[in-house]
Amino acid sequence: DIVMTQSPLSLPVTPGEPASISCRSSQSLLNDNGFNYLDWYVQKPGQSPQLLISLASNRASGVPDRFSGSGSGTDFTLKISRVEAEDVGVYYCMQGLQTPYTFGQGTKLEIK
Amino acid sequence: QVQLVQSGAEVKKPGSSVKVSCKASGGSFRNYAVTWVRQAPGQGLEWMGGIIPVFGTPKYAQKLQGRVTIIADESTNTAYLELRSLTSEDTAVYYCVRDPAFGWSGLDPWGQGTLVTVSS
Repeated sequence: DIVMTQSPLSLPVTPGEPASISCRSSQSLLNDNGFNYLDWYVQKPGQSPQLLISLASNRASGVPDRFSGSGSGTDFTLKISRVEAEDVGVYYCMQGLQTPYTFGQGTKLEIK
Repeated sequence: QVQLVQSGAEVKKPGSSVKVSCKASGGSFRNYAVTWVRQAPGQGLEWMGGIIPVFGTPKYAQKLQGRVTIIADESTNTAYLELRSLTSEDTAVYYCVRDPAFGWSGLDPWGQGTLVTVSS
């Protein structure tokens, strides 16, 4: 199974400041089609997870452009340019390259 | 826009079985797969398995093999997860989610979740 490792696991951020989460996979997520099968999800308090970014850098419909994803191979990053109060939640990376799909441990973003 | 509506919370005895349903409202599973993910209290997300309804052949997490069955009824746009021989470690929120199946675009949308509590 592909192991996904996130850091940090806890991320206190002042509103208006940027935030960054790292995700590493135990093997490359680059498919033969040239795309990286890496997604980012956020689970806001009391809610189901929701898709933020797919294929490493494609924002899902309705996701604000302050969220961006980057990376390739085994190293990926989720960046929030200016954190807002509504961004509080747990952020997960997930690989969709092969089953079993595997998730990172989650990064809890909180407002300072 | 498709929504996934899951069945309600369940309380089960150890050793029993549970069956959770997931209905696509405002759309269908045609050309998609359905994946099931669970989340134990205070824990992360765990892939359980999935099925492409048009093909009907499911895949399961190795640790659940023999205890889990995933099926899909295309005529009613409903998928089902059955888990048998329940223990307290199966206490979790169970989510269904639409899986692109052909060409990756992420898992979306997610159902509202079904809490299954296993307790004597």
